[in-house]
Amino acid sequence: EIVLTQSPDFQSVTPKERVTIACRASQSIGNNIHWYQQKPDQSPKLVIKYASQSFSGVPSRFSGSGSGTDFTLTINSLEAEDAATYYCHQSNSFPHTFGQGTKLEIK
Amino acid sequence: EVHLVASGGDLAKPGGSLRLSCVASGFTFSSAWMYWVRQAPGKGLEWVAQIGSRTDGGRTDYAAPVKGRFSISRDDSESTLFLEMSSLTIEDTAVYYCFTRLVTADRGQGTLVTVSS
Repeated sequence: EIVLTQSPDFQSVTPKERVTIACRASQSIGNNIHWYQQKPDQSPKLVIKYASQSFSGVPSRFSGSGSGTDFTLTINSLEAEDAATYYCHQSNSFPHTFGQGTKLEIK
Repeated sequence: EVHLVASGGDLAKPGGSLRLSCVASGFTFSSAWMYWVRQAPGKGLEWVAQIGSRTDGGRTDYAAPVKGRFSISRDDSESTLFLEMSSLTIEDTAVYYCFTRLVTADRGQGTLVTVSS
């Protein structure tokens, strides 16, 4: 089973800052990593797929990068509404797995 | 708008069964690989099962904890994804969500399954 380790577990940031969340896979997974945003008491929402592909309707300040074992979710010019827990998820091999989550607090 | 709305969650006894549904709208459901993810109270996300599109063979895959007890299926004519759950255990207590990587949902709604005696 591929283990995904996110860092940090928690981050407190101010609006307009640039934030990066890392996700490291225990073995190479190509670009088969996806990022979810889960706001408090809401359903998770996909924000990035296949490492760097964005979705229509997701703000352009969200971007993803990486390949192999190391991946990054970047949020440029953070807004208060970005307060959430973010999860990475690999679909390279079964069983698909998730990272433990990174909680983002806005100061 | 893309909607993925799950339903069918309920209180069930250990050993019982439930059938979850997820009605999709706003995209071409028949082309989409679909999957279920669950979240136990206060915990992170856990992948449960996946089903391919019919044109891709409709392959199904399951997480180890649910293999042999859960069955994922789809009705493309109704744009609906299903999860048949049997031999439920307390560890299956969670909110269940459905997803596709084809699009992201403007409105996603999970359904709560509680297994308790």
